Amino acid sequence: GAVVSQHPSRVICKSGTSVKIECRSLDFQATTMFWYRQFPKQSLMLMATSNEGSKATYEQGVEKDKFLINHASLTLSTLTVTSAHPEDSSFYICSARDHSMNTEAFFGQGTRLTVV
Amino acid sequence: GIQVEQSPPDLILQEGANSTLRCNFSDSVNNLQWFHQNPWGQLINLFYIPSGTKQNGRLSATTVATERYSLLYISSSQTTDSGVYFCAVDWSNTGKLIFGQGTTLQVKP
Repeated sequence: GAVVSQHPSRVICKSGTSVKIECRSLDFQATTMFWYRQFPKQSLMLMATSNEGSKATYEQGVEKDKFLINHASLTLSTLTVTSAHPEDSSFYICSARDHSMNTEAFFGQGTRLTVV
Repeated sequence: GIQVEQSPPDLILQEGANSTLRCNFSDSVNNLQWFHQNPWGQLINLFYIPSGTKQNGRLSATTVATERYSLLYISSSQTTDSGVYFCAVDWSNTGKLIFGQGTTLQVKP
C-alpha cells in the first residue's frame, strides 16, 4: 500500500510555543491531505482538509488561527499548533489518498504532542 | 451529518476464539475502511470495502451497502490482535473519513 510518513512521532513543548508537524506522501501524490486529532480513549476527529496550493478547510469548532495548515507541494502538508496550551495535548495524525487512484486512505504514524 | 456506530465497544476473548465486530452507518457511503490501531497509535489498514466480501488471512469483512452495515470477522484470535478496531466511512468520495467510536479488543493467552 501507499506510504504516508509523519514527523515527529513525539514532541514535548512549553506553553506558548509553536510546534510544526509534517505529513509526507512518500510514493504517491496527494492533492488533498487530512488532519485528525485523537484524545485518549476516544475516536479520531477530523480537524481540517489540507488542499495543495490553496487554503485549508476547517471543520466546525476548529480554530484556523491556532492550527495553521500549509500544503505547498503534492507530497507535503504541515500542521502548526500555535501558542500551544496544555489542552492542545493530543495525538495528531494525518492521512492521504493517491488522487490518481481514488481508493483507500492511508495514515501517518501520528504525533503525540504534550504541552507542559 | 452521517453517524457511524460500532459494536460492541469492548470485547474480551480467549486466544483461539472467533469474533464479529459490527459497523452501522446512517447514510449511503462511497467508501468504507476497517483499521486496527496498535498500542503506539499507528492505524493499520485492514480492508477497503465499500461493498461485498474480502478476506485476508484470519480476517475477513463484509459490507452490505444497501442495509448500511459492515462486519469484520476475526478467526482463531491471537494476542497480537489486541487493540482498537475502527471502521470509517467516506460519504463524499474525497478521502475525508468519519470514524466510529471503535471496538477495543483484548485477547487473553
